[in-house]
Amino acid sequence: EVQLLESGGDLVQPGGSLRLSCAASGFTFRTFALSWVRQAPGKGLEWVSAISANGDNTFYADSVKGRFTISRDNSKNSLSLQMNSLRVDDTAIYYCAKDSGGYESFFDYWGQGTPVAVSS
Amino acid sequence: DIQLTQSPSYLSASIGDKITITCRASHSVSTFLNWYQQRPGRAPKVVIYEASTVQNGVPSRFSGSGSGTDFNLTISSLQPEDFATYYCQQSNGTPRTFGQGTKVEI
Repeated sequence: EVQLLESGGDLVQPGGSLRLSCAASGFTFRTFALSWVRQAPGKGLEWVSAISANGDNTFYADSVKGRFTISRDNSKNSLSLQMNSLRVDDTAIYYCAKDSGGYESFFDYWGQGTPVAVSS
Repeated sequence: DIQLTQSPSYLSASIGDKITITCRASHSVSTFLNWYQQRPGRAPKVVIYEASTVQNGVPSRFSGSGSGTDFNLTISSLQPEDFATYYCQQSNGTPRTFGQGTKVEI
């Protein structure tokens, strides 16, 4: 059974930093791309960042480029999101999502999410 | 970046109704268009991928159509568990944009 378990969400002040983690199991981790998707309170889904299966390629939404860094450790089946210079509008539930891996490419599994609140 | 616009944003319907949600892309995404269902307090789950393929385990009352810039998600006979918010999402490149969502309410 595929499982994605996020952790690391917390209350942080504007300008602060936070590191989110996603522990994966139930699939061959090193062969699938992964993404972070967030959802602000009462709002829709926003794709944040993605990383290729081997970690060589990373992608970011313009809203987080230069502040967030995605990474993965294929030896530990772990995905991370380092978030710096946090802003109030980064407040959201952050989901880890697995890419389907096929030509069609969709998010076939999601974690339960970890909440991040940025407030003074 | 490719923008996705869903309509309507809210849809009021009854059990047994047939409903259709539309997603329009600002540029062609071929058939790289997916639909997700999100129930309150839950993570999203895919219901349709590649515009028209029903994900394993999703009831056959769900169907998708379209290509290029115009897509539809149809539920042929609404069931109580279908009342949720639905999002389209394109996977034709990054950023992997989502539509703003359509909330299906009783």
